[in-house]
Amino acid sequence: AQSVTQPDIHITVSEGASLELRCNYSYGATPYLFWYVQSPGQGLQLLLKYFSGDTLVQGIKGFEAEFKRSQSSFNLRKPSVHWSDAAEYFCAAVYTTLSFGSGTKLNVKP
Amino acid sequence: NAGVTQTPKFRVLKTGQSMTLLCAQDMNHEYMYWYRQDPGMGLRLIHYSVGEGTTAKGEVPDGYNVSRLKKQNFLLGLESAAPSQTSVYFCASSYEVNQPQHFGDGTRLSIL
Repeated sequence: AQSVTQPDIHITVSEGASLELRCNYSYGATPYLFWYVQSPGQGLQLLLKYFSGDTLVQGIKGFEAEFKRSQSSFNLRKPSVHWSDAAEYFCAAVYTTLSFGSGTKLNVKP
Repeated sequence: NAGVTQTPKFRVLKTGQSMTLLCAQDMNHEYMYWYRQDPGMGLRLIHYSVGEGTTAKGEVPDGYNVSRLKKQNFLLGLESAAPSQTSVYFCASSYEVNQPQHFGDGTRLSIL
């Protein structure tokens, strides 16, 4: 069965530190891949997407993600985290319909 | 610039009651979706629609029904609410299935 795994439930980083959120997918073919962010009490907002081509994709708010076919991964990164980045992050993949990982909650220490 | 609008935002029901959640989008999207979000489980697809007049089951369809009589609206119905349906419900829409989805702000539903 197709699935998306986010192994980290919670992550805490200090403001200004770098960030990497992990995402793995299990699909027969390369799916369309997305990262979404959800602030408390709000819906999901698209950060970035990967369809094909360049494996390093840039998104909004200074985020980027790298697709690695050999590792079935699509990890999200940010060089320097801001306090406003505290939120829940969801990786998602489309094969026939969109499947979400269980999410990673990011806390940012001052 | 409304995007996806969900009504109501909050609702408390008693077990066995029925209700309908409304989703409206103004982006002329073909695809619309209903998800439920529960702690630690991400978003799970309940039902979706690939165009006006169509509906299809998602991952967790039991206990829910949907209708897409107009392209811009997608209704989610609970015929006989159960406590297990306490959740936050999100509606989303997209131009095509592999295009980014646009989400509403959610409906928080509690069933006592």
